[in-house]
Amino acid sequence: ELKVEQNPLFLSMQEGKNYTIYCNYSTTSDRLYWYRQDPGKSLESLFVLLSNGAVKQEGRLMASLDTKARLSTLHITAAVHDLSATYFCAVDAGNSGGSNYKLTFGKGTLLTVNP
Amino acid sequence: ETGVTQTPRHLVMGMTNKKSLKCEQHLGHNAMYWYKQSAKKPLELMFVYNFKEQTENNSVPSRFSPECPNSSHLFLHLHTLQPEDSALYLCASSPGPGLWAYEQYFGPGTRLTVT
Repeated sequence: ELKVEQNPLFLSMQEGKNYTIYCNYSTTSDRLYWYRQDPGKSLESLFVLLSNGAVKQEGRLMASLDTKARLSTLHITAAVHDLSATYFCAVDAGNSGGSNYKLTFGKGTLLTVNP
Repeated sequence: ETGVTQTPRHLVMGMTNKKSLKCEQHLGHNAMYWYKQSAKKPLELMFVYNFKEQTENNSVPSRFSPECPNSSHLFLHLHTLQPEDSALYLCASSPGPGLWAYEQYFGPGTRLTVT
């Protein structure tokens, strides 16, 4: 069974600081997705990482994928309050290991950026 | 309408009621999903449909009954629910199937309260 672990689960940081959220997964995959969820809202797609070494950047967020280490990171640069949300990573293991065309989500990281 | 839509957005029902949630996707996708998101639990996959065929039932109680009449529409029929079923129910779609599940696009969700 594919397991996806995010850490930290809770992150409180000050505006202007940098931090990284980690996403580890337990089986071979080179497809990983990051989503953002605001309170009471749906999930919004942030990044799609489709190969080893993939790096994507959007504003103050940068995501990377290391398939050999089975690790993805979401790096936050110079955080601002608007980035406060819950961030999920999700892994696609394809049709192997019983994954049956579905994404397996991490538990999410609740990010709070304080002034 | 674009993307994935869900109706109703909010629903309050008694334990003896029968109601249905509706999801419609306008993306030409072939796979659709129901997720449950509770306040204190991670995102839980409930059902997966590929080309109208159910390919995943993640041990969901029979008081939840999905229906997928075509690739664009997905319903979740509810009956005899329990208070612990109160949650945000999210619908998603993706291009799949194929080798991969692909990126999922989420609807706005239905906030369900069972009294």
